[in-house]
Amino acid sequence: DAGVIQSPRHEVTEMGQEVTLRCKPISGHNSLFWYRQTMMRGLELLIYFNNNVPIDDSGMPEDRFSAKMPNASFSTLKIQPSEPRDSAVYFCASSLSETGGAIGYTFGSGTRLTVV
Amino acid sequence: SQKIEQNSEALNIQEGKTATLTCNYTNYSPAYLQWYRQDPGRGPVFLLLIRENEKEKRKERLKVTFDTTLKQSLFHITASQPADSATYLCALASGGSQGNLIFGKGTKLSVKP
Repeated sequence: DAGVIQSPRHEVTEMGQEVTLRCKPISGHNSLFWYRQTMMRGLELLIYFNNNVPIDDSGMPEDRFSAKMPNASFSTLKIQPSEPRDSAVYFCASSLSETGGAIGYTFGSGTRLTVV
Repeated sequence: SQKIEQNSEALNIQEGKTATLTCNYTNYSPAYLQWYRQDPGRGPVFLLLIRENEKEKRKERLKVTFDTTLKQSLFHITASQPADSATYLCALASGGSQGNLIFGKGTKLSVKP
């Protein structure tokens, strides 16, 4: 298995532009998570899905952020419009259960977003 | 709400020594606690899980302890090597045995040759 695949690896965009981050989870994993990591705040959960259904989106900062999971093998995180304070590394992770169980979460390599 | 604290932002040790990292949580005891390793430019990688009824868990040179009275987990790397240099994160379920994982900010370990 290729693991969790995220694209793009790096994204530089201008303030006000729309940004779309993509994630392909591990086949057979039922839960998918979007985290954001910054030096100040560490890893913060934005939203997670169980069986393609959003369960908890309380971490989504504002209405500018939205996430979808149209099927078990694909998810997107969209920021529209983007702002400089959105600059961070965004990770997607998947697992067999929402708590990770005995094997934990499998993370992708992340998307480093820079909004100028 | 549950909070996790990893006491040291950074830990520097000499090769061959034992590294000990601390993770404290503030509220209810989780059903289990997990440890991850993160290298620069990469996502965290799962290392170990320890359950609330387990005092200690070992995997090769790694050892994790879990003290629900102290609300603390210790992560040890014995005979440390420069290749062990990374950031180590602890994580636990936000709702005890349910809900997503919440993560500590991590401890950056540097092992000097």
